[in-house]
This record gives sequence, structure tokens and C-alpha cells, in this order.
Amino acid sequence: AQTVTQSQPEMSVQEAETVTLSCTYDTSESDYYLFWYKQPPSRQMILVIRQEAYKQQNATENRFSVNFQKAAKSFSLKISDSQLGDAAMYFCAYRNYGQNFVFGPGTRLSVLP
Amino acid sequence: GAVVSQHPSRVICKSGTSVKIECRSLDFQATTMFWYRQFPKQSLMLMATSNEGSKATYEQGVEKDKFLINHASLTLSTLTVTSAHPEDSSFYICSASQGAGETQYFGPGTRLLVL
Repeated sequence: AQTVTQSQPEMSVQEAETVTLSCTYDTSESDYYLFWYKQPPSRQMILVIRQEAYKQQNATENRFSVNFQKAAKSFSLKISDSQLGDAAMYFCAYRNYGQNFVFGPGTRLSVLP
Repeated sequence: GAVVSQHPSRVICKSGTSVKIECRSLDFQATTMFWYRQFPKQSLMLMATSNEGSKATYEQGVEKDKFLINHASLTLSTLTVTSAHPEDSSFYICSASQGAGETQYFGPGTRLLVL
């Protein structure tokens, strides 16, 4: 069974600085998708970024980018120029074709003014 | 685009009553909808997956007779908590996707409190 691990239960970053959240996963599949979701205090899950495993190029969405290392099964999220609104729980997720999502335990990110 | 609504956002009920939660995809057709439960400060726990027009697939340990799921159309899925008890109090989140491998889009969640 696939598993997703986030080894950092909590992280903090100074406003305007850069922070990297770690995620590793375990799978025997070669084709799959990886996601980062953000859950702010409102508890609405918001898609941050998505990566197809067959793509070598790392996905980027404005201040958010990933470092996808397929061989190492690592999928870290980098947040540049951190803003107060970035404070939230961040969940890494894995999805195989036709199967359900597997979520990591989450990392709580605090942004310090 | 890709908006999912959930209703109600909050519900309080007496023990022994049933509660229905609706999940709607507003601007896309959702072939698959998912229901999650989230305890405070924890990750999402998948309860069941429903495909339009077919029976839901429940995760191990989730009582299908207690958590009734219906996915009657490509835009609507409902979760009914039957004979609710205080231990069913939780935050329930639905999500919808357009197909296998597609992104899940989440509803805002429903907070259920059973007295």
C-alpha cells in the first residue's frame, strides 16, 4: 500500500523568507500524481500545486514550487517570499490512476511577522 | 472553476437522529466523489468513494449501514449519518474529481455535533 510521510509536524518561517516542507512517499507504481494541499484555519482544503510523475520538470505556481525527486520518492514544497496568509496546515498527497488519495499527516506552518 | 459546495456547514443534532450532508460540484461533472472525516489536528481519513450511479466503496472499518452514501447524479453526492451518536461528532469533508488521476476539489466541510 502507498504511504505518504511528512516528517515535520511544525515549521515556522519569517515573513518574506523561504521555507521548504518535506514529503516522501512509498509506491511501486511508475505513473501517479502528487499534490500539495493547504488547509487554513477555515478548514477549506485548497490545492496548492500538482505534479505528474511522468514529467521531469518541477511544477511551479507563482511563489510555490516543488522539488520532485522520483528516484528518491521525494516531493518537497518550497514557498518563497512567505506571507502571513501562507500560515496553514499543508498536506502532501499521492494519487495513482483510478485510486484514492493518500494524504500525509500534515505540517503546520507558522509565518512570523 | 472547480467549485465544490457542501451543505450544511454546521449541524447540531440529538443522539439517535439522522443527519444528511450534501456535496455538490457547481461547475463541473464529478464522476467520483469522496467523503472524508477529520479529527482535530489530524489528517483526512477517507471514509468512502462514490461513483455516479453505482454503490459507494467504503474503507475498512467504516460502517456502510451507518454512513449512507448516495451519488445519484454527476453533481450531487449525499452522506447520511444514521442514528447519530456523540462519537460521530466530527468534521466531514467531501471532494469531487472528474476522473481517475484527476485533482480532487474539496468542499468547505461540515461540522457535526451530536448531543
